[in-house]
Amino acid sequence: AQSVTQLDSQVPVFEEAPVELRCNYSSSVSVYLFWYVQYPNQGLQLLLKYLSGSTLVKGINGFEAEFNKSQTSFHLRKPSVHISDTAEYFCAVCRKNTGFQKLVFGTGTRLLVSP
Amino acid sequence: ETGVTQSPTHLIKTRGQQVTLRCSSQSGHNTVSWYQQALGQGPQFIFQYYREEENGRGNFPPRFSGLQFPNYSSELNVNALELDDSALYLCASSLGGQSTGELFFGEGSRLTVL
Repeated sequence: AQSVTQLDSQVPVFEEAPVELRCNYSSSVSVYLFWYVQYPNQGLQLLLKYLSGSTLVKGINGFEAEFNKSQTSFHLRKPSVHISDTAEYFCAVCRKNTGFQKLVFGTGTRLLVSP
Repeated sequence: ETGVTQSPTHLIKTRGQQVTLRCSSQSGHNTVSWYQQALGQGPQFIFQYYREEENGRGNFPPRFSGLQFPNYSSELNVNALELDDSALYLCASSLGGQSTGELFFGEGSRLTVL
């Protein structure tokens, strides 16, 4: 079975500051990794995903994440946040080569950007 | 291009009742997944339908059932509702049913069980 731990339930940050949202996972098999964002009263939107290759993945809205296999981490970063980045962020994993997509999500990190 | 739409957006039921939630997938997508998101939690996988067949299921009891229609829209049915079924139910569509694809989520149906 897979599990995802998001270490911070809430991260307050000032506008234009850098931010890192932490994600660690546990799995006995190889997985794909994802970050999704959920704005208030909306569904989830894919920010970025790691399938293979370069461990540094760039996504939408200036976000990037780095896959670290030895530390089983997939932390999300942005060098300069905007007020509009205020949202809930979910890290998720999916077991490789299953023939269907079952995402296992963490409990989420609420990013609060203030002026 | 029409995105994923879900109905109803909000509903209230009482314990023991049955509920049906509906989802229209994004144009061109043949796969629908359903997730349950309890308050303050991440979404949990209920099941996935690919070309009208269930091809993956999470740890949910049989009273959670679904259907996918020839136009790839889908229904989630929950029988004998329990208080713990109160949650946001998210539908997501994708292409191909494989584990690498991007899921496109609807805004969800918020179910309250009293």
